[in-house]
Amino acid sequence: EVQLVESGGGLVKPGGSLRLSCAASGFTLSDYTMNWVRQAPGKGLEWVSSITSSSTYIYYADSIKGRFTISRDNAKNSLYLQMNSLRAEDAAVYYCATKRVWGQGTLVTVSS
Amino acid sequence: AIQLTQSPSSLSASVGDRVTITCRASQGISSILVWCQQKPGKAPKVLIYDASNLESGVPSRFSGSGSGTDFTLTIDSLQPEDFATYYCQQLNNYPLTFGPGTKVDIK
Repeated sequence: EVQLVESGGGLVKPGGSLRLSCAASGFTLSDYTMNWVRQAPGKGLEWVSSITSSSTYIYYADSIKGRFTISRDNAKNSLYLQMNSLRAEDAAVYYCATKRVWGQGTLVTVSS
Repeated sequence: AIQLTQSPSSLSASVGDRVTITCRASQGISSILVWCQQKPGKAPKVLIYDASNLESGVPSRFSGSGSGTDFTLTIDSLQPEDFATYYCQQLNNYPLTFGPGTKVDIK
């Protein structure tokens, strides 16, 4: 079964850091461009970042540029999102996704 | 950034109805468009990719069409499990963008 499973979410204070992970199973992650997408409570979907299959190209949304870093380890079939200087407006469910497959999401809460 | 607009923003329909949702891009995106369905508290699920390709396991009552700037998602004979929010997403240009969603609820 093709699956993406996120982990690493939780409660963090403003200004803090979190590292999200996404583990792929049932397919070879190295074949695909990978994306992080987030959804704030009651809101629509917002693209966060993408990384091409060999990490050659990396893209970020303006809202997180300079604070978040996307990376991947194809040998471990895994994708990551390092989130620094977190703000209240970063609170959301974070999904990893390919064009055709989404994970179940991990919740990030930013509060003092 | 490419803007995606969806219409309608919401609709009420009955089981068995045919439902059509449109997505318009602010500039051409070829056919690099995905339709996904999201139910409350759940992750989005891809229904259609590359504008018209039905994702594996998705019922054939879902279909997609269009290219360039205008796209359509059609649900033939709406079923109870289809009441959800539907989003279009373009993956042709960065930043990737989503439409604002269309909520389909029960009449």
